[in-house]
Amino acid sequence: KQEVTQIPAALSVPEGENLVLNCSFTDSAIYNLQWFRQDPGKGLTSLLLIQSSQREQTSGRLNASLDKSSGRSTLYIAASQPGDSATYLCAVRGEPGAGNQFYFGTGTSLTVIP
Amino acid sequence: DTEVTQTPKHLVMGMTNKKSLKCEQHMGHRAMYWYKQKAKKPPELMFVYSYEKLSINESVPSRFSPECPNSSLLNLHLHALQPEDSALYLCASSRLAGGRGGEQYFGPGTRLTVT
Repeated sequence: KQEVTQIPAALSVPEGENLVLNCSFTDSAIYNLQWFRQDPGKGLTSLLLIQSSQREQTSGRLNASLDKSSGRSTLYIAASQPGDSATYLCAVRGEPGAGNQFYFGTGTSLTVIP
Repeated sequence: DTEVTQTPKHLVMGMTNKKSLKCEQHMGHRAMYWYKQKAKKPPELMFVYSYEKLSINESVPSRFSPECPNSSLLNLHLHALQPEDSALYLCASSRLAGGRGGEQYFGPGTRLTVT
């Protein structure tokens, strides 16, 4: 079964700093990987979807990279702001026949200090 | 419009009650999902509907009963729940259920408390 791990579990940075969140998965047979943010007690907001054939995706201050063969993805946040404080989750979708559903990571709780 | 709506926002129910959670999307998505999320944990998949048919049931107890009356609506019927079922219940949708299904879009969730 696919296992998805996110390190670190919690991160605190001063405003303006660039930061990287990590996501690792055990089975490289993935179809795509999606990054979400979740504010306390709220639903998940989709940030970026990266297909298995892609190396990276960008949206504003966010950049996600994917190295399928090594089972890793990173989410880079540039010039962090207090409004970026949230829990960030990655989810991988397995290929057909390899558990074709989303498996969520354990999450990274980010605090950006003004 | 990439919105998934869920009602109610909050629900408190006793262990003998029957209640329902509702989810709606108007993006033309043909896959809809129920997830359960406990505090400080990632969402856990419960059910997947594809073209209004149940395609995945992650060994969920029968006290949870999903229903997909049409392509826009998804219900979760609750009966005889236990206090440990208290959690945030999230609904999501995607264009299709398979790998080509694209992004999942989530609703705001229903905070369920079982007393």
